[in-house]
Amino acid sequence: GQNIDQPTEMTATEGAIVQINCTYQTSGFNGLFWYQQHAGEAPTFLSYNVLDGLEEKGRFSSFLSRSKGYSYLLLKELQMKDSASYLCAVTGTGFQKLVFGTGTRLLVSP
Amino acid sequence: GAVVSQHPSWVICKSGTSVKIECRSLDFQATTMFWYRQFPKQSLMLMATSNEGSKATYEQGVEKDKFLINHASLTLSTLTVTSAHPEDSSFYICRTLGEATDTQYFGPGTRLTVL
Repeated sequence: GQNIDQPTEMTATEGAIVQINCTYQTSGFNGLFWYQQHAGEAPTFLSYNVLDGLEEKGRFSSFLSRSKGYSYLLLKELQMKDSASYLCAVTGTGFQKLVFGTGTRLLVSP
Repeated sequence: GAVVSQHPSWVICKSGTSVKIECRSLDFQATTMFWYRQFPKQSLMLMATSNEGSKATYEQGVEKDKFLINHASLTLSTLTVTSAHPEDSSFYICRTLGEATDTQYFGPGTRLTVL
């Protein structure tokens, strides 16, 4: 079976840094994605990690530890538009199936 | 630009009716299509996986006779919610794969409201 957990909600202020954690237990693992989703819209791709370590992409960075079944998404210099849900998703055996975590709703306040 | 279209973007129907949702790949062949459902304030839940020309594979707990999936061509997959009930009201999203492992294309989603 698969179990992917994230905090349900987080709040932060504009300009701050926030870290969204994701822990997973899966029967097969071939990579982890982070997506951003605004209400009523499809998810948009943020990052993909397959090897341990930190991947930096502008204001967003993503970290993966395969041995610990753990990832985090780091958002720097928060902006109001970053208020959204953030979903981690794991690809299992075969690379095709993508299973989503519980999702984290982030609220950025002024 | 968008590579996967989904139609309709929203639909309201009466309880007991059937609703068909189409997902089309634009300018590429979508051999495999994944269908997700998302209830308010929840994450995406995989419903089924369809491969062109074969029967869909349903996730545990998803009724295959209620959620009919057809993937008759490489550019079109459809999900039909049969005898819809209010509890089927949800956001339905399709997803397909690009050429690279980390390339995923999502449809824009369909908001279904069953009265």
